Amino acid sequence: DAGVTQSPTHLIKTRGQQVTLRCSPKSGHDTVSWYQQALGQGPQFIFQYYEEEERQRGNFPDRFSGHQFPNYSSELNVNALLLGDSALYLCASSEGVSSYNEQFFGPGTRLTVL
Amino acid sequence: AQRVTQPEKLLSVFKGAPVELKCNYSYSGSPELFWYVQYSRQRLQLLLRHISRESIKGFTADLNKGETSFHLKKPFAQEEDSAMYYCALKGNTGFQKLVFGTGTRLLVSP
Repeated sequence: DAGVTQSPTHLIKTRGQQVTLRCSPKSGHDTVSWYQQALGQGPQFIFQYYEEEERQRGNFPDRFSGHQFPNYSSELNVNALLLGDSALYLCASSEGVSSYNEQFFGPGTRLTVL
Repeated sequence: AQRVTQPEKLLSVFKGAPVELKCNYSYSGSPELFWYVQYSRQRLQLLLRHISRESIKGFTADLNKGETSFHLKKPFAQEEDSAMYYCALKGNTGFQKLVFGTGTRLLVSP
């Protein structure tokens, strides 16, 4: 099992553009969470998806949206990119939504906005 | 508000020395506390959680509700402990959202 996988590894965009990041959860996992990690900061929760619905959302603007597919994979979309959106985007998966379940992290997608 | 504070950006020790990585939190209820670790060129992974009350790789952490702290300790540091350590908090709302601190880089020199 490769664990949580994310694509692409790196991405460079310009201000105003839109970007889509992808995540495949660990085998057997059905819940996906997304985090943004700016340089020198800890990961910050964006939102979580379960049963193809957004279950919980952090303090991020509506420019950040997501989707979960029937195979449990997920996408993070960011519209109207700002310089401040440059960060490492982490995906984490878990088996179910119980707060007791461990989240397993992917390697991340490094987004640079110029 | 939920907040996790890690006051040290960098902690540098010699091999065999004791290590204490500090973590303080702010939460109005009874949170669950975690330590995550990221070794060089590896992904973020769970090191330990306070409800397990176990020692992982020689590390322990005790939740002190009075001082709202969850410091990570190891009596004798090893070079392979060099990594980035993040303290994280999960609220008791039933959701999985993790709130992370800014992290402490531990550097263990020979």
